[in-house]
Amino acid sequence: DTGVSQDPRHKITKRGQNVTFRCDPISEHNRLYWYRQTLGQGPEFLTYFQNEAQLEKSRLLSDRFSAERPKGSFSTLEIQRTEQGDSAMYLCASSFDTEFYGYTFGSGTRLTVV
Amino acid sequence: DAKTTQPTSMDCAEGRAANLPCNHSTISGNEYVYWYRQIHSQGPQYIIHGLKNNETNEMASLIITEDRKSSTLILPHATLRDTAVYYCIVRDGTASKLTFGTGTRLQVTL
Repeated sequence: DTGVSQDPRHKITKRGQNVTFRCDPISEHNRLYWYRQTLGQGPEFLTYFQNEAQLEKSRLLSDRFSAERPKGSFSTLEIQRTEQGDSAMYLCASSFDTEFYGYTFGSGTRLTVV
Repeated sequence: DAKTTQPTSMDCAEGRAANLPCNHSTISGNEYVYWYRQIHSQGPQYIIHGLKNNETNEMASLIITEDRKSSTLILPHATLRDTAVYYCIVRDGTASKLTFGTGTRLQVTL
């Protein structure tokens, strides 16, 4: 297992289009997180899953955003009707559900909305 | 989760120890101190965490003051590859998420 994988690495889309990102976590990890990061800021929490259940969503996650984790394995994050303000790095992380372990992050998907 | 305060930026000469401070004066008894770093264009990387005892691993050492209101991350022999943004995060052990601030930008120079 080589870590957390995210696909694609880069995405350029026109405003109003829908985009979907994929995250493959470390297979033994039961928690999966999505974060968003804009230039000069730290990552901001969007949502997380414990196995296949989505347990928490940030207020940053508007109705245009939806995340899934079918069967508790990979996860997808979809943004509908993209806006220029959605341009950011979208990071996925996974972890065990205990405080004794840190998160492992992927390299992120950089979204540019033009 | 308790808020943390870190300097915006720091410089360190290569080969010297880098000491990155963090204040978390409102930390509560069940909150851990975590350190992550983010090298340009990569996702954050876990470094170390602790509750009240000092901790050391292959990457760094974490020194937590006795009153737990501040901590220092020590990179004993900084290299150019340690140039990154370093985040200090305080988190309840049962909390679901990490909350990142803006971190300290460490520049290691020759």
